[in-house]
Amino acid sequence: AQTVTQSQPEMSVQEAETVTLSCTYDTSENNYYLFWYKQPPSRQMILVIRQEAYKQQNATENRFSVNFQKAAKSFSLKISDSQLGDTAMYFCALLLYNQGGKLIFGQGTELSVKP
Amino acid sequence: GAGVSQTPSNKVTEKGKYVELRCDPISGHTALYWYRQSLGQGPEFLIYFQGTGAADDSGLPNDRFFAVRPEGSVSTLKIQRTERGDSAVYLCASSTGTSGFYTQYFGPGTRLTVL
Repeated sequence: AQTVTQSQPEMSVQEAETVTLSCTYDTSENNYYLFWYKQPPSRQMILVIRQEAYKQQNATENRFSVNFQKAAKSFSLKISDSQLGDTAMYFCALLLYNQGGKLIFGQGTELSVKP
Repeated sequence: GAGVSQTPSNKVTEKGKYVELRCDPISGHTALYWYRQSLGQGPEFLIYFQGTGAADDSGLPNDRFFAVRPEGSVSTLKIQRTERGDSAVYLCASSTGTSGFYTQYFGPGTRLTVL
């Protein structure tokens, strides 16, 4: 079975600081993708960043970057220059290429950015 | 363009009643997904449509849950004889493409409360 684990239920960071959210996953598949989604109180799930497992280079998207360690099955999210609007639940998710694209989510990390 | 829309935004019903939740995907998206998110948890996969057919319904918890997508666009999730344990946010997502890796765009969800 495939699993995604986020071991940090809550985190906080000062505005303009950097924070890293952790995620580990387990799968025996070779073809998969990893995502970080953000869910603010509005409930809308918003894609933050994605990583193809076959790519060694870590994905970056403006202030967001990942540290993808395939052998360790680790996929952490770094948010630089944190902004108040980054306050939200963050979910790590695994997508298996040969299973139609359904996402397997972790339990989430609630991030608070403090002024 | 318009994103994924879901109606109603909130639904309160009594135990034993029947409910229908509607999802209107992004125009042209062939794949549609339903997820259920319980309080404090990550979303869990329910069912995936490719066009009009359910390609994977392995996440439906029991036969009280059923979903349709008769014309390959709008989908309806139907729950019979609702139970208090069905209370959750039901999320819908759509993506383009026929398989593998395509970004899923989520709707704002329907919060179902069963009294």
